[in-house]
Amino acid sequence: EIVLTQSPGTLSLSPGERATLSCRASHNFVNNFFAWYQQKPGRAPRLLIYGTSTRAPGIPDRFSGSRSGPDFTLTISRLEPEDFAVYFCQQYDSSPLTFGGGTKVEI
Amino acid sequence: QAQLQQTGPGLLKPAQTLSLTCAISGDSVSTNSAAWNWIRQSPSRGLEWLGSTKYRSKWINDYAPSLKGRISINADASKNQFSLHLSSVTPEDTAIYYCARAAWYFDLWGRGTLVSVST
Repeated sequence: EIVLTQSPGTLSLSPGERATLSCRASHNFVNNFFAWYQQKPGRAPRLLIYGTSTRAPGIPDRFSGSRSGPDFTLTISRLEPEDFAVYFCQQYDSSPLTFGGGTKVEI
Repeated sequence: QAQLQQTGPGLLKPAQTLSLTCAISGDSVSTNSAAWNWIRQSPSRGLEWLGSTKYRSKWINDYAPSLKGRISINADASKNQFSLHLSSVTPEDTAIYYCARAAWYFDLWGRGTLVSVST
């Protein structure tokens, strides 16, 4: 099972600032089968990024994803008020599919 | 615009079987380009993938190893829906349960059902 470790647990930032969220995989898998989700209170997660760096339809270009070996990064270039939420990473390289523990981006 | 509508009881007693159904609109449970999944979320376990079913000339199921023996996921093509059955529940199974579509990643989610297991 691929374990995903997200850091930091909480990121305290202001609107307009840049957010950098990290996710480390326990195994360095070859394919870029990696996704990021945003979740707001009382809502289901929403797909932001898939294939490590491809934005899902309707996702603004201030969201971007990248990878270096087993380390994956979600960057929000300039935080908007609606971006304050919890973010999860997920791998779909192998079963069982697994999620990271989440990073809360708060004001 | 595809949608997933979840139904099922929200309160169970220990040892009972959890049964939830996810009705699909705007897509087909028999499509060969997606898998239909159940995921749960709790403060203690975070987001946990439970399993999936998909049709590739036959129905293929995949389950989380931690749940094998207790879980089954079934599709009903005539009703365009799929169901989760989790037997012998304990309070540790208390969570919000989501159904979700996955081409590979989860691009469509149900609204979630809070299931509580308590005496």
